Amino acid sequence: NAGVTQTPKFQVLKTGQSMTLQCAQDMNHEYMSWYRQDPGMGLRLIHYSVGAGITDQGEVPNGYNVSRSTTEDFPLRLLSAAPSQTSVYFCASSYFADKDRDYGYTFGSGTRLTVV
Amino acid sequence: GNSVTQMEGPVTLSEEAFLTINCTYTATGYPSLFWYVQYPGEGLQLLLKATKADDKGSNKGFEATYRKETTSFHLEKGSVQVSDSAVYFCALSDRMDSSYKLIFGSGTRLLVRP
Repeated sequence: NAGVTQTPKFQVLKTGQSMTLQCAQDMNHEYMSWYRQDPGMGLRLIHYSVGAGITDQGEVPNGYNVSRSTTEDFPLRLLSAAPSQTSVYFCASSYFADKDRDYGYTFGSGTRLTVV
Repeated sequence: GNSVTQMEGPVTLSEEAFLTINCTYTATGYPSLFWYVQYPGEGLQLLLKATKADDKGSNKGFEATYRKETTSFHLEKGSVQVSDSAVYFCALSDRMDSSYKLIFGSGTRLLVRP
């Protein structure tokens, strides 16, 4: 099925470990982004990309890196995991030319990360 | 800055009851407004949207009207079903924001009892 695919669905890390959360979309969306969801806080933007080779920071970028070598993939790297990064992570994509935001975003099913 | 405020949950209703979830926003630019729904264990799905003042978004029996005078976008449904139990997020996207980000409210959990 077309959409946004995230892996893994669940992950437990020890403090200081690094890992990469994978995100892939097959809708040819130019725009991709990563959000984290924390209880009572909605979702907050970590990083985003408006096309291959272009990335930028969102509201809460510290401790995370991204790259966009292809249109389809947008991995999120945790450099040195901390307990404060325990959260649910969502990848989302959209058409970049959607100036009126008419299409909304397509979200993946999420990665639940626990850092102990 | 831009922000979204929505009513605290959980909201518990009996099947066939009327639903209102309040959402108000603050925006400096020209926002589009959205309601997203998150079913247990899943990602967010776009429920409905409105891109300019007085627009009404609707889908699956849910409705919301973009009210610029009251900066509101309340979600309503005339008769809820058990299958509507989920978390509902109000969100805005400002056309003047080059990050294209969505700004979310904190979410409202709806529980519908048979």
